[in-house]
Amino acid sequence: QQQVKQSPQSLIVQKGGIPIINCAYENTAFDYFPWYQQFPGKGPALLIAIRPDVSEKKEGRFTISFNKSAKQFSLHIMDSQPGDSATYFCAARAPPVSGKLIFGQGTTLQVKP
Amino acid sequence: DAGVIQSPRHEVTEMGQEVTLRCKPISGHNSLFWYRQTMMRGLELLIYFNNNVPIDDSGMPEDRFSAKMPNASFSTLKIQPSEPRDSAVYFCASSPLSGVSEQFFGPGTRLTVL
Repeated sequence: QQQVKQSPQSLIVQKGGIPIINCAYENTAFDYFPWYQQFPGKGPALLIAIRPDVSEKKEGRFTISFNKSAKQFSLHIMDSQPGDSATYFCAARAPPVSGKLIFGQGTTLQVKP
Repeated sequence: DAGVIQSPRHEVTEMGQEVTLRCKPISGHNSLFWYRQTMMRGLELLIYFNNNVPIDDSGMPEDRFSAKMPNASFSTLKIQPSEPRDSAVYFCASSPLSGVSEQFFGPGTRLTVL
């Protein structure tokens, strides 16, 4: 119940394409869902986050779609660029609220020029 | 702000040796997390501290691993004795205890155990 399942494991798109990464969870007590972006040789960094009372959040070219009833959320990258090539992790805050995050397995995205 | 600082950045050691990884969290952050990242297992939480107190160490793989946080500005993760399967990138992250749960990750320590 504490798991966050992420798919696909890897993704290749052409520049300008819209990669979509999906995550699913079981624990309805999760109350905060961030996405982290990691470049090779670096630590993950927060990209965008959403709370379950909102169905969509957009920041620049990055959008989270959240489906509370299906217990799923996804990351969309509009007009993807080669500089977006990185590993993306979804996560969920574990109850009780403590700051602990449960991370998905990660998706390696390659955007071809 | 310098961000989360980890040292060393790279460590190569031989099986059976003791390894100590160090972390300095962002000043003012009350929570500190140690993660291990491998291709096979992804990003695993090993242990985390709130206000220097260990809260959840259920991710520590075995007794060979130990972590301490003697004060708000310093933490160590020790592996003794090290084994080849401990080879991984170890990240430290910190966050404020209250409010949102954004975790700020350090650059990581790449550990290779021969």
